Amino acid sequence: DAKTTQPPSMDCAEGRAANLPCNHSTISGNEYVYWYRQIHSQGPQYIIHGLKNNETNEMASLIITEDRKSSTLILPHATLRDTAVYYCIVRVWKQLQGAQKLVFGQGTRLTINP
Amino acid sequence: ETGVTQTPRHLVMGMTNKKSLKCEQHLGHNAMYWYKQSAKKPLELMFVYSLEERVENNSVPSRFSPECPNSSHLFLHLHTLQPEDSALYLCASSQDRPGQGHSGANVLTFGAGSRLTVL
Repeated sequence: DAKTTQPPSMDCAEGRAANLPCNHSTISGNEYVYWYRQIHSQGPQYIIHGLKNNETNEMASLIITEDRKSSTLILPHATLRDTAVYYCIVRVWKQLQGAQKLVFGQGTRLTINP
Repeated sequence: ETGVTQTPRHLVMGMTNKKSLKCEQHLGHNAMYWYKQSAKKPLELMFVYSLEERVENNSVPSRFSPECPNSSHLFLHLHTLQPEDSALYLCASSQDRPGQGHSGANVLTFGAGSRLTVL
């Protein structure tokens, strides 16, 4: 299983771009990178995922390096509501009748400051 | 509201009680999960059900007993718990199909969780 490494905490000013890094140097060719976030005492929320190419949706952008050993989640205009723990996960796919297993690490606690 | 509803949101129980946590998903998904989140620890996967059949049991003590009567409902039956079992219990669902593991499409939708305190 590919392991991910994230900084334990980060701060960002409101209105600025928040760039959250993730290292996954042992990722294999068919493993995807997923990002989720968890606002205090709520369930995790899916943000975005990617394999090789950069991805963008209404929440964020995901930049994956060419060697796929690291990635960056970008929140382009952070708001106070983006304060949360952000998890970078490399998908562990297991043939369990199609069900998947996501292994969550400690994540990065992002604090958006006014 | 994410489409995955967990009840109760908060539960306090003694070590000799028997209680159940309920999860219901309104998304038409066919896989459901129980995760445990203890204070300052990562989420731990407990059980996985796919097409109503248990496909994963991560060495969870027998005092936790899951039940999946249909694809929309998932229960976690609790009995003779310990204080260290106090945690946030999260239910999730996804739409998974055999052989689809190598696509990236299957994401988990989580409920808000049930906060359990064992006295």
